[in-house]
Amino acid sequence: QQQVKQSPQSLIVQKGGIPIINCAYENTAFDYFPWYQQFPGKGPALLIAIRPDVSEKKEGRFTISFNKSAKQFSLHIMDSQPGDSATYFCAAQGGSEKLVFGKGTKLTVNP
Amino acid sequence: GAGVSQSPSNKVTEKGKDVELRCDPISGHTALYWYRQRLGQGLEFLIYFQGNSAPDKSGLPSDRFSAERTGESVSTLTIQRTQQEDSAVYLCASSPLPWDEQYFGPGTRLTVT
Repeated sequence: QQQVKQSPQSLIVQKGGIPIINCAYENTAFDYFPWYQQFPGKGPALLIAIRPDVSEKKEGRFTISFNKSAKQFSLHIMDSQPGDSATYFCAAQGGSEKLVFGKGTKLTVNP
Repeated sequence: GAGVSQSPSNKVTEKGKDVELRCDPISGHTALYWYRQRLGQGLEFLIYFQGNSAPDKSGLPSDRFSAERTGESVSTLTIQRTQQEDSAVYLCASSPLPWDEQYFGPGTRLTVT
């Protein structure tokens, strides 16, 4: 019940495409859903996060869509660029409990 | 300002040896976290410090793993009698308050031969 399932494992799109990464969870106590971006040789960095009181949050080209009834959330990257090529992790947290991470999606944006 | 730093960046050790990994959090951050990232896997929580106490050490995989923190400063993760399955990137993060946004260091890549 503590798992966060992330898909796909890898994703290749052309520049300008809209990659979508999906995550699903079981624990209804989760109330904070961040996405992290990780470049090779670097630690993850917080990209965008959402709480269940809204169904969508947009920051620049990055959008989180959240479906509370389905216990799913997804990351959309609009007008993707080669510089967006990285590994993306979703995560979930409930209250003061630890973050639970998905296994990551390696995104490649071809020029 | 300076971010989270970790040393060494890479460590190769022989099976059975002990290793110490160091984390310097962002100054003023009270909370510090250690994670393990195996190849192709997500981040696996190991331990969390609030100040120099560890309210949650539930992720430490065995008694070969231990960690300590000096005040609200540097932390060391020690792995005794290393095994090949300990090979991974060990990431440290810190946050101003417990479970706030976490700022990650670049990690230490540990290879056990």
